[in-house]
Amino acid sequence: ETGVTQTPRHLVMGMTNKKSLKCEQHLGHNAMYWYKQSAKKPLELMFVYNFKEQTENNSVPSRFSPECPNSSHLFLHLHTLQPEDSALYLCASSQDRTLSSPLHFGNGTRLTVT
Amino acid sequence: DAKTTQPPSMDCAEGRAANLPCNHSTISGNEYVYWYRQIHSQGPQYIIHGLKNNETNEMASLIITEDRKSSTLILPHATLRDTAVYYCIVRVDLGGSYIPTFGRGTSLIVHP
Repeated sequence: ETGVTQTPRHLVMGMTNKKSLKCEQHLGHNAMYWYKQSAKKPLELMFVYNFKEQTENNSVPSRFSPECPNSSHLFLHLHTLQPEDSALYLCASSQDRTLSSPLHFGNGTRLTVT
Repeated sequence: DAKTTQPPSMDCAEGRAANLPCNHSTISGNEYVYWYRQIHSQGPQYIIHGLKNNETNEMASLIITEDRKSSTLILPHATLRDTAVYYCIVRVDLGGSYIPTFGRGTSLIVHP
């Protein structure tokens, strides 16, 4: 149990589908992150939220749309994805965004786009 | 911004100490060194972090050189369950936001 829960664990979707990934943290943290991990590649930062406000968008295509309704929940809405978007999507949280605040990750959603 | 360099792979015998090196020669004075590990099909797990002094917790020890240009993560008695990819990162300053940026890490294999 990491304190960060992601659902679903696995998702298969077609290119015309719309789906959402959910992340919930029970750690009382104020910052939340989405990372993408493709096969054989390092983790890529996608979005950062701090106190529900988006502070970073790392040039992510608009077919990925994040939502942070409160400090405990983070969503990633997906629409018209491409097969190359298949990857492990990881959510993380931290107490804040200072240098001394470690990240706590969920176990990710394994997404397959067909 | 500070970046890190790690060997792509290492192996270690079960029960022996695993010493994982990391170079971060461009680290700034206020940047912390963090270590995470990722076991297959799971999210990265935080291990330890430090600024200047050596640190120890229930998982590992972190030795940082005096000039802070390199560090070593030590797993004192490696077990098979320690087989994972280990990431050494320095939080990168993106104009006031300190974002953890991951490289490829070191794939550690602990063998019987």
